[in-house]
Amino acid sequence: SQTIHQWPATLVQPVGSPLSLECTVEGTSNPNLYWYRQAAGRGLQLLFYSVGIGQISSEVPQNLSASRPQDRQFILSSKKLLLSDSGFYLCAWSRSTRIQPQHFGDGTRLSIL
Amino acid sequence: GQQLNQSPQSMFIQEGEDVSMNCTSSSIFNTWLWYKQDPGEGPVLLIALYKAGELTSNGRLTAQFGITRKDSFLNISASIPSDVGIYFCAGQQGGAQKLVFGQGTRLTINP
Repeated sequence: SQTIHQWPATLVQPVGSPLSLECTVEGTSNPNLYWYRQAAGRGLQLLFYSVGIGQISSEVPQNLSASRPQDRQFILSSKKLLLSDSGFYLCAWSRSTRIQPQHFGDGTRLSIL
Repeated sequence: GQQLNQSPQSMFIQEGEDVSMNCTSSSIFNTWLWYKQDPGEGPVLLIALYKAGELTSNGRLTAQFGITRKDSFLNISASIPSDVGIYFCAGQQGGAQKLVFGQGTRLTINP
């Protein structure tokens, strides 16, 4: 069966510091990978998605970037965090064949001080 | 961008009551998905719908893909305390690799 791992589960960072969140998927090959952000009590905002190694699509202009160095690894980064980067970050995967549901990790709660 | 209108935004019900929520869009979707999110966790897939008119059940949950392909509903029968959480609808258009999410329905149950 397939599993998705996100870490860390919680993170407190000062403004201006760098960020690296990691997501890995097991039990499948060539998945589509996604990064979402969720503000408290709100819906999910798609930040980035990737259909293959080195292929990143950005959905919104922002202070963040994403990379996919390996088939089942997706990384969310920032060089300098802003207060507005606080939120709940979710990684998701889906099979790359047509019309497949996405499956989510447990998320990372990021607080910027 | 594309949006799904999910309603109601919140529900306060008594344990044992039935629940109904829905999502509508001005555009056609080829797939409708329903997720539940518990506090501090990622959304979990409840039901996936792939054909217009499809009615699918998962235990006490029933969801339907609207015949116009522009809406979907989720029903929960005989609610129990563990049904508490936020329910999201999501739709997928054509061969798009992305999902469009509703804003969620927060369900609260009084014992």
